[in-house]
Order: sequence, then C-alpha cells, then structure tokens
Amino acid sequence: EDQVTQSPEALRLQEGESSSLNCSYTVSGLRGLFWYRQDPGKGPEFLFTLYSAGEEKEKERLKATLTKKESFLHITAPKPEDSATYLCAVQTYRDNYGQNFVFGPGTRLSVLP
Amino acid sequence: SQTIHQWPATLVQPVGSPLSLECTVEGTSNPNLYWYRQAAGRGLQLLFYSVGIGQISSEVPQNLSASRPQDRQFILSSKKLLLSDSGFYLCAWSGGVGQPQHFGDGTRLSIL
Repeated sequence: EDQVTQSPEALRLQEGESSSLNCSYTVSGLRGLFWYRQDPGKGPEFLFTLYSAGEEKEKERLKATLTKKESFLHITAPKPEDSATYLCAVQTYRDNYGQNFVFGPGTRLSVLP
Repeated sequence: SQTIHQWPATLVQPVGSPLSLECTVEGTSNPNLYWYRQAAGRGLQLLFYSVGIGQISSEVPQNLSASRPQDRQFILSSKKLLLSDSGFYLCAWSGGVGQPQHFGDGTRLSIL
C-alpha cells in the first residue's frame, strides 16, 4: 500500500531561523511528488513537482529536493508570512488518472516575528 | 491562466436536508476533476474523480454523489445529509497524468 508520512507534525521557528520539513514515501513506483501550501480555511496551493531522485526546485525562500525515499522542503530565513501547513503528495504508476494522489498529513509551520 | 471556482464558501444545513456544491474550472479543456473532504487535522480524502463528461468514479461508499454535466463543471450532491457529512470540501482539477492537482478555496459544511 502506498504511504506518505510527514515530519515533524508541527514546527515553530523564529523569523530567519532556517529549517527543513520531511516527506517520506513508500510507493510501488513514483510518477511524481508534489508539495503544497495550505493556509487556514483555504484550499492547498501548489508549490512544486519533483519527478526523479536528485531533482531540486526553488521558489523564493523554499527549496524542494527529492531522493528515492523522501523529499525535503528547505525553508531559508523564513518570514511570518511563511506560516502555513505544508502538504506533500505522491502519484504512482498504478494511478492512470491522478485518482490516487496520496497526501501526507502535513506539517504545520509557525514562524514567529 | 486557469482558475477554479467553488461555492458556497460556507454552508450550514440541517440533518436530512439536500446538498449541492458546485465547482467550475476556467481556462482549460477536458480537465480531470476531483472532490475531496478534509477533516480537521487530517489528510485529504478523495471522494470522487471524473475524467470526462458523465464519467464519475467513486472512491468511498457514502451518502454523497457527484455529477459532471459539462466539461468544466463538477457538482457534489446529497439527497439527505448526515451529521457525519460535516467537513471541508475541496474541488480540484489536473491537466492529466503526472500533473499536479489545483484546488479551489473549499466549502466549509456544517450539519446541525
């Protein structure tokens, strides 16, 4: 069974204190790994797609990396506006229509001023 | 650019009443469409997906149904709501296999 776990469950950082969020996955064959940001009361906002081990993507203070078993979302010098829940999801080769996007439970990030 | 609209944003309904939530996508054709439910502090649960007009697949047996009357319109319905139907409902679209899903802003449904 395909599984996605995320750690830590919650993370509190001081403004400017860099850190990383982890997404570990167990799948039969990875078609893609996706990172999302979700603000309270809103739908998830797409951030990155990673397709193969060694791939990296960057956007402002965020950088996503991928290995064969996990992905990291690195946050450099975070600001309070980076506070949100970060979700990762995987799609496998058993999934022909995206019907089996397996989402992790998320990491709730709080950045204090 | 593509946009997804979902309404209403919040809804309070009595037990036993019907439900209709609507989702429309603009700026793309033949999208894959999805309905999810997100319980507080929990992950996203896929309810229905559709790869074309009139084509609906259900992932979880439940009190809800979905329909796709037009290419870019997806509707979530119920004939009689249960207390357990409360939650945050999200509609999403994707361009195809290997493509990310893009979400609407959701509907907060409370059943009284």
